[in-house]
Amino acid sequence: KQEVTQIPAALSVPEGENLVLNCSFTDSAIYNLQWFRQDPGKGLTSLLLIQSSQREQTSGRLNASLDKSSGRSTLYIAASQPGDSATYLCAVQETSGSRLTFGEGTQLTVNP
Amino acid sequence: SQTIHQWPATLVQPVGSPLSLECTVEGTSNPNLYWYRQAAGRGLQLLFYSVGIGQISSEVPQNLSASRPQDRQFILSSKKLLLSDSGFYLCAWKARSHRIEAFFGQGTRLTVV
Repeated sequence: KQEVTQIPAALSVPEGENLVLNCSFTDSAIYNLQWFRQDPGKGLTSLLLIQSSQREQTSGRLNASLDKSSGRSTLYIAASQPGDSATYLCAVQETSGSRLTFGEGTQLTVNP
Repeated sequence: SQTIHQWPATLVQPVGSPLSLECTVEGTSNPNLYWYRQAAGRGLQLLFYSVGIGQISSEVPQNLSASRPQDRQFILSSKKLLLSDSGFYLCAWKARSHRIEAFFGQGTRLTVV
């Protein structure tokens, strides 16, 4: 059974810092990995999708990498801002079906 | 463009009452559909997913059921709610292509009292 782990569970940084969020998964038989952002009491907003054949994807200040063989992904946020404060979740889509499995998330606080 | 609608946004129900949460998708056809539950401060637990009309995969045996009566409609139900059914319920859709992202509704906050 696929298991997705996110480290750290919570992170607090001063504004302007670069930071890295980690996601690991136990079964490398995946089609893709997706990073989401969730604001309190809201649904999830998609940030980046990385196909299993890709190594990284970039969107603005966000850069996500994928090392499928080692079961790891990182989300790099450059020059963090208070508006980046949210919970960040990663999810993998398995090749064995259409299941999307999520990690527990990293709660990020960027202090002004 | 594609949109996903989920309602109601909040719901307070007594123990033992029935439940019906509805999710509909517009602007796409033949999507994969998902129901998740999120406990406070936790990740998303996959409850059900569907790859087509009438096709439901159940991930966790519990007091809930799901149905897909139409291609773009996904319903989460319960005959008798338990206190432990309280949580934040999220519906999502994903196109069949693995190159396309999953998209989520705004969620339903269910409180069973």
